[in-house]
Amino acid sequence: QVQLVQSGAEVKKPGASVKVSCKASGYTFTSYAIHWVRQAPGQRLEWMGWINAGTYNTKYSQKFQGRVTITRDTSANTAYMELSSLRSEDTAVYYCARDGSVTDYPRYLDYWGQGTLVTVSS
Amino acid sequence: DIVMTQSPDSLAVSLGERATINCKSSQSVLYSSNNKNYLTWYQQKPGQPPKLLIYWASTRESGVPDRFSGSGSGTDFTLTISSLQAEDVAVYYCQQYYTPPLTFGGGTKVEIK
Repeated sequence: QVQLVQSGAEVKKPGASVKVSCKASGYTFTSYAIHWVRQAPGQRLEWMGWINAGTYNTKYSQKFQGRVTITRDTSANTAYMELSSLRSEDTAVYYCARDGSVTDYPRYLDYWGQGTLVTVSS
Repeated sequence: DIVMTQSPDSLAVSLGERATINCKSSQSVLYSSNNKNYLTWYQQKPGQPPKLLIYWASTRESGVPDRFSGSGSGTDFTLTISSLQAEDVAVYYCQQYYTPPLTFGGGTKVEIK
């Protein structure tokens, strides 16, 4: 069965960076893309970006451009999301999710990781 | 960016009754070349990640009960739960994928009356 398992909770100081991992299993990793979505307390879901695990094509939300980097390691079936210059407003649960289509374009998200809480506090 | 607006923010429905959630996009998400609406619905229960219910506005994901249905086209969409069950208590989100950035509605909380 398809599973996405994320790394554990993080506490960071303002200005620092965080890197969250997402290990995929149960499917051919390079056949699908991976999205990163965050959910701040009481806020709506917010799309950060996407990587096609086969072609390495990436697309980022303009809101996070320059601060977010999404990568993947095909040998480890793992995707990563690194967010830099952290501020308190970045405190949120960060999710990875698989794209449900096999196109080279972000679509809908059919399987989700369990979420990683990132807390930014001085 | 396409803005997704859901209504109502919350609703309370009796067990076995119909629940209707609305989602409106700030521009059409209907792609004319394939006549498909680039709209999806998710269900999120407390402490869990979202779960895909519906994509292409009306295609039910495998394993999703048939009491869940999606309808609408262009800018106006509806998620209907035909007969509310206790396990349907959750927050429901719509999301467009017509153009990046993918954007989500603010969510509708469904409770039992």
